[in-house]
Amino acid sequence: GAVVSQHPSRVICKSGTSVKIECRSLDFQATTMFWYRQFPKQSLMLMATSNEGSKATYEQGVEKDKFLINHASLTLSTLTVTSAHPEDSSFYICSARDPQRGGYEQYFGPGTRLTVT
Amino acid sequence: AQTVTQSQPEMSVQEAETVTLSCTYDTSESDYYLFWYKQPPSRQMILVIRQEAYKQQNATENRFSVNFQKAAKSFSLKISDSQLGDAAMYFCAYAEWAGNQFYFGTGTSLTVIP
Repeated sequence: GAVVSQHPSRVICKSGTSVKIECRSLDFQATTMFWYRQFPKQSLMLMATSNEGSKATYEQGVEKDKFLINHASLTLSTLTVTSAHPEDSSFYICSARDPQRGGYEQYFGPGTRLTVT
Repeated sequence: AQTVTQSQPEMSVQEAETVTLSCTYDTSESDYYLFWYKQPPSRQMILVIRQEAYKQQNATENRFSVNFQKAAKSFSLKISDSQLGDAAMYFCAYAEWAGNQFYFGTGTSLTVIP
C-alpha cells in the first residue's frame, strides 16, 4: 500500500516550452502532496506543499509563476514548469502523506528527470 | 527552521559487516518524528525506519536499527550484516509532530564492498 506514481519518468523539452509532471497517489487519498527538486549527489530541496482544493505554499526562493502546482483532486497533483530553461533541468520528486495511516512519513514517487535543451 | 546534520558524506562497509550512519538534529520541540530514507541508484526514496520521539525504545526493522538519544538530539542508523543491495544514499529526516514539512539531512553515500 501507499504507492505514489509519477509521470513521465523522463522528459526532454526545448527551452521556452512548458512541461507538466503528474503525481498520483494510487491507493490512498492524499490531502497534502509535496514537490521536491534534487540536484546530483545532493539532498532533496522542498519546492512547495500542495493541499487539495487550495493554493500551494511555495518555499522561499521558488518562483510560483514558473513552477505552477495544481492539486485538483485527492489523488492527483501536477507540477508545470513554464517557459523552461536549461537551468530548470533537474530531478523532480513528489511525495504524499496518507492521513489514514497516522504518523507523518511521506511516500515518495519515483521521480522525473527533466532535461531542457 | 529545523536543521538535520549528517556529518559523514561517504561511508563504506564490507559485506556482512556492520556500519553505523550518524545523524544529529536541532529542535526545541519535544514531540516529533525521525526517519531514515534510502535512495538507491534508481533514485526511488524508500523508507527504512521511523522513530517517534515520545518512544524511548529504539526502532528496529530486521537488519536496521536506530540509536535514538533524545537529549543529545542524535539519531544514528545501524545496518547489520550489510548486503550489496544496501549500497545507496541514506537521508536522515525530521518531521514536526503537528506540521507537514520534512527536514532532510545532506545524505550519506554508503558503499558496500564485496
